[in-house]
Amino acid sequence: EPEVTQTPSHQVTQMGQEVILRCVPISNHLYFYWYRQILGQKVEFLVSFYNNEISEKSEIFDDQFSVERPDGSNFTLKIRSTKLEDSAMYFCASRLESAATSYEQYFGPGTRLTVT
Amino acid sequence: AQKITQTQPGMFVQEKEAVTLDCTYDTSDPSYGLFWYKQPSSGEMIFLIYQGSYDQQNATEGRYSLNFQKARKSANLVISASQLGDSAMYFCAMRGAYGGSQGNLIFGKGTKLSVKP
Repeated sequence: EPEVTQTPSHQVTQMGQEVILRCVPISNHLYFYWYRQILGQKVEFLVSFYNNEISEKSEIFDDQFSVERPDGSNFTLKIRSTKLEDSAMYFCASRLESAATSYEQYFGPGTRLTVT
Repeated sequence: AQKITQTQPGMFVQEKEAVTLDCTYDTSDPSYGLFWYKQPSSGEMIFLIYQGSYDQQNATEGRYSLNFQKARKSANLVISASQLGDSAMYFCAMRGAYGGSQGNLIFGKGTKLSVKP
C-alpha cells in the first residue's frame, strides 16, 4: 500500500540553525501539506502546496518557513533560523486532486524536531 | 472562522464495550467534510473515517461509525467493541469548502482514550 514517508524521524538542532525536513508524498497525489504538533497539543496546519506553488498558509508559516518540491517526488519544509518554539512533530500529508469518496489526507509518520 | 471542539480530554472504556467520543464543529461553509484520526503513542496519524456534509447516511468503517447530527453541528465517533489497541489520542478534524481552501484540515485538541482490560 502506498504511503507518505518522512526523513529524518528525529532531528536535533541548535537554535538559529537551518533545518530541512523531507517528505516523499504518494506518487499520484497532487496536493501536499505540512502540519505541526507541539508536544501535547493539537495538530496545526502550516501550508498547502499545489501545482508547484503555495496555495494556502497559516499565520504560523512566517518568513522563516519555506517549502519546495525540487524534483517531482520530494517535498521539503525549510526553517531558516530555528527557535526553541519550533520544537514539535512535523507531519507531511498528501491527497489526490479529486477523491471521489473523500478528501482524505494521508499523513506521514512525522519528524520530531528538537531545538536546543 | 472554522472551529472544532472536543470537550473530553480523556476517556476510559472497558474492553469490549462501546465508547462515544464527542466532536462539535462550527463553520459557515455549506460544503465541508469531517474526519477522525487516531494517533497512537508512536505518533503517526491514522485516518479512521470521513463524513461529507451532504452525505445522507452516517459513515461507518468496521468498528467505527460517525454519528453525524448536522443541525446540532456534531460529529461524534462511536467505537464498538473496544480493544486494548484502541488506546490512543483521537482527533476530530474538518476540511474547509473545496472552493475556499485547498482542503487543509483544522483539528480539535483531541481525546485520549484508554481501554481497560
